Amino acid sequence: GENVEQHPSTLSVQEGDSAVIKCTYSDSASNYFPWYKQELGKRPQLIIDIRSNVGEKKDQRIAVTLNKTAKHFSLHITETQPEDSAVYFCAASRGVFGAGTILRVKS
Amino acid sequence: DSGVTQTPKHLITATGQRVTLRCSPRSGDLSVYWYQQSLDQGLQFLIQYYNGEERAKGNILERFSAQQFPDLHSELNLSSLELGDSALYFCASGRTGVQETQYFGPGTRLLVL
Repeated sequence: GENVEQHPSTLSVQEGDSAVIKCTYSDSASNYFPWYKQELGKRPQLIIDIRSNVGEKKDQRIAVTLNKTAKHFSLHITETQPEDSAVYFCAASRGVFGAGTILRVKS
Repeated sequence: DSGVTQTPKHLITATGQRVTLRCSPRSGDLSVYWYQQSLDQGLQFLIQYYNGEERAKGNILERFSAQQFPDLHSELNLSSLELGDSALYFCASGRTGVQETQYFGPGTRLLVL
């Protein structure tokens, strides 16, 4: 079955810096790669997603890149703000999530 | 608000007991996913249903079972509960059941004493 690895497990950045979280997957049949943000005590919510027919997608300060050949995809957050502090999960295929990255943005 | 509802919000019970968690998907969604999230843990996929049929199975214990009813709501049954079953249980729903955005409910926090 699908296996998704996510790195790093924790990430601390200064407000205004960029943050990058990377995921690799194993199933070459996967073609949909969402990213979810989970704030403390709340439900995970989709923040951006990408399908395998594109290599990059951007939404304001958030972007996702996909390399299907290498089977990895990354989340990029620019100009980080304290409210970006949360746990971020990548996912691939059906119901398989990465282990999560705790992002702390220090002001 | 995602449109996915879960009841109850909190549940406290004793070891050895059985509980049922309920999930109602968003209007129009046919797929329901169940996840377990323990403290400091990621989202562990348990099981997925699509239009009443089991579609995929993850790390679900034999003591746990689920079903999806004709009105598309789903129930997760946890039996012979152990202390380690204490966790946040999320359900999520999706439209097609295949490689899709999942909309999460608020979760049920289970505490086994």
